[in-house]
Amino acid sequence: QKEVEQDPGPLSVPEGAIVSLNCTYSNSAFQYFMWYRQYSRKGPELLMYTYSSGNKEDGRFTAQVDKSSKYISLFIRDSQPSDSATYLCAMSSGNQFYFGTGTSLTVIP
Amino acid sequence: DSGVTQTPKHLITATGQRVTLRCSPRSGDLSVYWYQQSLDQGLQFLIQYYNGEERAKGNILERFSAQQFPDLHSELNLSSLELGDSALYFCASSVGRVGETQYFGPGTRLLVL
Repeated sequence: QKEVEQDPGPLSVPEGAIVSLNCTYSNSAFQYFMWYRQYSRKGPELLMYTYSSGNKEDGRFTAQVDKSSKYISLFIRDSQPSDSATYLCAMSSGNQFYFGTGTSLTVIP
Repeated sequence: DSGVTQTPKHLITATGQRVTLRCSPRSGDLSVYWYQQSLDQGLQFLIQYYNGEERAKGNILERFSAQQFPDLHSELNLSSLELGDSALYFCASSVGRVGETQYFGPGTRLLVL
C-alpha cells in the first residue's frame, strides 16, 4: 500500500467552478500536510501547509485535514485558467516526506 | 522564481557514468532536500541535509550520494548510472529542519542513454 494516494485525474472544469482535490494516506505519524502546484515539469510551488487537523484558508484556496479519516483536501474557489496545472499533495512526519502522484487540472475559459 | 538554483538544467550521459548535480538554497535556508521525479514513480524523497549534516534519508540508492558544504550549497552525485535513473532531479530548501515549507528549484533533467 502506498503511503499517499491521489487520484491522477485528469480533472476538467469550467472557469469559475469550485475544484476539490483530495488525498488519502496510511501513516498516522504524518503531522504536516502540504499542497504544491506544478506546471509542466517545472519545480513544484508550495501553495499551503497545515499542521495536524483543521482548516486553513488563503485567498481562493482552502486546505482541510481530517486525521481521523486520514484524508486531506484542497478546495479552489472561482477557478481560473491560470490554475491549470498538476496539484501534488505532500505529507511529512518531520523526517520523511511523501508526495502524491498529482492530479492534473484544466480550467476551461 | 523560488530563489533555489540548480545546475545544470539538462544532462545527457551514458550508462555506467557518474554525474554531479548542484543546488544552491535560498538565502537564509539551512536545509536542502533532494528529490527524484519520474513519470511512473512521482516525486520521491531522496535525502535531506541540515546545516551541513545529513538529517533524513529516503529512498536513495547506494549508488547515489550527497553532501552539503559550509556555504550550504549541496551536490548530489549519481554513479554507475542506469537507464532507469533518467528523471527530473529537484532540490528544495527550507529554513528549518522540519520541512513543512519547502521551496523547489527548477530541476535538472537527466537522460541516461
